[in-house]
Order: sequence, then structure tokens, then C-alpha cells
Amino acid sequence: QKEVEQNSGPLSVPEGAIASLNCTYSDRVSQSFFWYRQYSGKSPELIMSIYSNGDKEDGRFTAQLNKASQYVSLLIRDSQPSDSATYLCAVNFNKFYFGSGTKLNVKP
Amino acid sequence: NAGVTQTPKFQVLKTGQSMTLQCAQDMNHNSMYWYRQDPGMGLRLIYYSASEGTTDKGEVPNGYNVSRLNKREFSLRLESAAPSQTSVYFCASSESYGYNYGYTFGSGTRLTVV
Repeated sequence: QKEVEQNSGPLSVPEGAIASLNCTYSDRVSQSFFWYRQYSGKSPELIMSIYSNGDKEDGRFTAQLNKASQYVSLLIRDSQPSDSATYLCAVNFNKFYFGSGTKLNVKP
Repeated sequence: NAGVTQTPKFQVLKTGQSMTLQCAQDMNHNSMYWYRQDPGMGLRLIYYSASEGTTDKGEVPNGYNVSRLNKREFSLRLESAAPSQTSVYFCASSESYGYNYGYTFGSGTRLTVV
């Protein structure tokens, strides 16, 4: 069983819609959770971190964490074509584990 | 404001050849990491250095060696390249080795072993 699971997608949403990206993890003692964005052929860049249950908002991005259900999600409001990328979930169980990513396509 | 710099960006090796991937960061970070990224496999940790003078194995260390040359530099060496080592390699750094710290990644090295 993989430690961090993500649907590979692609997830297609129209411009202006809300994109919802989900991630589940296997270890209940995980303490920190991160979302990275990776454009095709580029390196991952950190966009959000969350450590406590609930929501954390940063501009158009909202990270949601539910430790009891072992999932973390990323909502992107008012999606733009420039948001088209692969989104990687990372979870820290003493070491980082990355999911394989969800590809998001935002259609103009 | 370079962040994490990796060299080379592209490399083609023949099976059995050796090479060293270089990584340097200018953010005064304590911890550095080497990952490989393969389609469908996500990012997998090869080796890491929690602080200057220490190195530890990650998830997929076989066939690789590392050197933490100083606080800024962390190199990855392939002693005898194999086709299974064809991948994109990313170096990353973080302020410290702990659960609260996100990573800054370099631009990557695309390695092909033929």
C-alpha cells in the first residue's frame, strides 16, 4: 500500500470553476502536509502547507485537512488556464512521502 | 536569488559509465535531498543530508552515493550507470530536517542511460 495516494487524473474543469484535488495517506501519526505544483518539464514548487485540522486559505487556494479520515485536499477557486499543472501531495511521517500527483487541466 | 542550482540539466550516459550530479543552494539551508521522479512513481527519495557532515539513505539508494561537501553543496554520484537509472533527478533543500519544513527544488537533471 502506498503511503500517499492521489488520483492521477486528468481532472478537467472549465475556467472560473472550483478545482478540487484530493489526497489520502496511510499513517495516522503524520504531522505535516504540503501541496506542490509542477508544470510540465519543470520542478515542483511549494504552494501550501497545513498542519492542523480544518481549512487554511491563501489567495485562491484552500487546503483542507481531516486527520481522523486521513485525507487532505486542495481547492482552487476561480481556476485559470495557468493553473493547469500536476499537483503533488506530500505528507511527513518523519520522512517526506510524495503522491504521484493529479494532473489538472483548466479549459478556457 | 538563485535558490537551488543543479548541473547538468541534461545528460546521456552509456551503461557502465559514471557521473556526478552537482547541487548547490544559497539559502543557508541545513538539509538537502536527492529525489528521482519517474512516470507514475512520483518522487522517491534517494539520499538526504539532515545537516552538514551527515548523510542517510532514503527509499531507493542502491546504485548511488552522495557527498555533502559543505553546507551549500550536495552531490549525487552514479558509479556504474544502468538503464533503470534513466529518470529526472531533483535536488531539494529545506531550512531544517523536521516536519514543518517544505522543500525548495532545483530545476532538475534529465538523465538517460542507454
